[in-house]
Amino acid sequence: DIVMTQSPLSLSVTPGQPASISCKSSQSLLHSDGKTYLYWYVQKPGQTPQLLIYEVSNRFSGVPDRFSGSGSGTDFTLKISRVEAEDVGVYYCMQSIQLPTFGQGTRLEIK
Amino acid sequence: EVQLVESGGGLVQPGRSLRLSCTASGFTFDDYAMSWVRQAPGKGLEWVGFIRTKAYGGTTEYAASVKGRFTISRDDSKSIAYLQMNSLKTEDTAVYYCTRAVAATPYWGQGTLVTVSS
Repeated sequence: DIVMTQSPLSLSVTPGQPASISCKSSQSLLHSDGKTYLYWYVQKPGQTPQLLIYEVSNRFSGVPDRFSGSGSGTDFTLKISRVEAEDVGVYYCMQSIQLPTFGQGTRLEIK
Repeated sequence: EVQLVESGGGLVQPGRSLRLSCTASGFTFDDYAMSWVRQAPGKGLEWVGFIRTKAYGGTTEYAASVKGRFTISRDDSKSIAYLQMNSLKTEDTAVYYCTRAVAATPYWGQGTLVTVSS
């Protein structure tokens, strides 16, 4: 299985400040088809997970542009340029180049 | 509007079985693989397994933690995906979500709670 390791596991951010979450995979997520199968989800309190980013850097429909994804191979990052109160939740990276696995989750709270 | 509704959760004793259902609407069910993801209380997300479409053989894949105990099936005529869970263990206690497709999916059900306890 591919192991997904996120850091930090928790983050406390002042509104308006940036935030960054790292996700490292134990194997490359670059497929021979040229795509990299790395996704980001957020689970807000009391809600089901929501898709934020697909294939490393593509924002899903309706996701604010303050969210961005980057990276390649085994190292990936989710950045929030200016955190807002509504961004509170647990952020998960996920891979699907092999049987899907999630990272442990990173809890974002507002200072 | 895409809707996924899970049902069948509840309290079950260790070693017993339970079958969950995921009833889909708002899209052509036959065209999509269907997945199950679970979340133990206070824990993170764990992918359980998925079933491909009939066009891709309707084959299944499972996480190692459930392989040999859980079986996913689908009834395209009813737009329902099933998760048959046998030989349940206390560590299977979780909210079980069904999702459309395997990854990059915005479509999740609300989940159904399975509690395995004596």
